[in-house]
Amino acid sequence: GQSLEQPSEVTAVEGAIVQINCTYQTSGFYGLSWYQQHDGGAPTFLSYNALDGLEETGRFSSFLSRSKGYSYLLLKELQMKDSASYFCAVGDDYKLSFGAGTTVTVRA
Amino acid sequence: DAGVIQSPRHEVTEMGQEVTLRCKPISGHDYLFWYRQTMMRGLELLIYFNNNVPIDDSGMPEDRFSAKMPNASFSTLKIQPSEPRDSAVYFCASSHGLRYEQYFGPGTRLTVT
Repeated sequence: GQSLEQPSEVTAVEGAIVQINCTYQTSGFYGLSWYQQHDGGAPTFLSYNALDGLEETGRFSSFLSRSKGYSYLLLKELQMKDSASYFCAVGDDYKLSFGAGTTVTVRA
Repeated sequence: DAGVIQSPRHEVTEMGQEVTLRCKPISGHDYLFWYRQTMMRGLELLIYFNNNVPIDDSGMPEDRFSAKMPNASFSTLKIQPSEPRDSAVYFCASSHGLRYEQYFGPGTRLTVT
């Protein structure tokens, strides 16, 4: 099975940098994904790491350490529209198991 | 592309009634997933299909739940009989060979009274 842990809430001001950590334990592992979900909306794909290291997509970056069972999502130059929930998810075959999500609140 | 389409967007029903949720995946996608999201349990995978064939239904909570995919462009999730604890947002998602990048529909908010 899979077990993922991430903080429940993070608050930061506009323009700041936020790091959301995710630790996982899994019996099978193909990679780790990050999804964003705005209140009342659907989850949307942000990034994916299959190998150790950093992946960058615009203002967002994701890091993975397979040996440590650890990942983080870095949100740079925070904007109000970044206020949302962020989920890490591990893939085992074609099944994604999602963490409980981290609610990011961006303040002016 | 219109994205994943789900209907209805909202459903309110009484305990004991049958509920049918519908999903149209993105054209060309060969994987279809049904999820349920609640505050208590988060986002849970219920079942997924590959090329219209159910692959893993281990997440289906009980026999009251059933899902079908009669063709590549349509799937249903049925709950019969419905119970108040089934109240949740049900998402359908699809992907094309990429297990990690799934496209979610807008969801169906189900309320069972």
